Amino acid sequence: GENVEQHPSTLSVQEGDSAVIKCTYSDSASNYFPWYKQELGKGPQLIIDIRSNVGEKKDQRIAVTLNKTAKHFSLHITETQPEDSAVYFCAASVQGGKLIFGQGTELSVKP
Amino acid sequence: DGGITQSPKYLFRKEGQNVTLSCEQNLNHDAMYWYRQDPGQGLRLIYYSQIVNDFQKGDIAEGYSVSREKKESFPLTVTSAQKNPTAFYLCATTMDRGRGEQFFGPGTRLTVL
Repeated sequence: GENVEQHPSTLSVQEGDSAVIKCTYSDSASNYFPWYKQELGKGPQLIIDIRSNVGEKKDQRIAVTLNKTAKHFSLHITETQPEDSAVYFCAASVQGGKLIFGQGTELSVKP
Repeated sequence: DGGITQSPKYLFRKEGQNVTLSCEQNLNHDAMYWYRQDPGQGLRLIYYSQIVNDFQKGDIAEGYSVSREKKESFPLTVTSAQKNPTAFYLCATTMDRGRGEQFFGPGTRLTVL
């Protein structure tokens, strides 16, 4: 069935370093790939997204890359700051206007 | 999540009781969704509705029910048939019948005593 795998499940970096989170998806018809940041006890917030007609998108310190052939997409955070610490989720669109979510990555940025 | 309201924030229920979680939006979005989140896991879709008076089951609909009588509201009832209802419940909306970005509410944490 439709599935999104996300790695790693936990990631610890030093402040100022880069962080990379990777996802793979199974549905070749997926054409929309959002990333969400969730802080403890709160709802997820959309931080960046990409559609299948582009390979890369950047917004300040955050970038997302997409490889449709390999069914991979990745989130890159540069110059990490302690306030980047949170759980990050990737997702892929599937038929019916739904999203399938990855299992989440808990990012810890140590000062 | 400014235009999506979920209430209450915390909810306690005794075993065997039904409970209804509220989700209201003032974004004029067509589609609404309910997800369940368990510790260390991703979001799993319970039910979704792309238009008023219509809704579809998601991946884990057993033990839950919904209604969509108004565009602004999509309440979720957790029935006594749901064997393990303790979880964080999230409501989301999308403007364009599911083809756009999903925006989430602040969530309701349900605990069964």
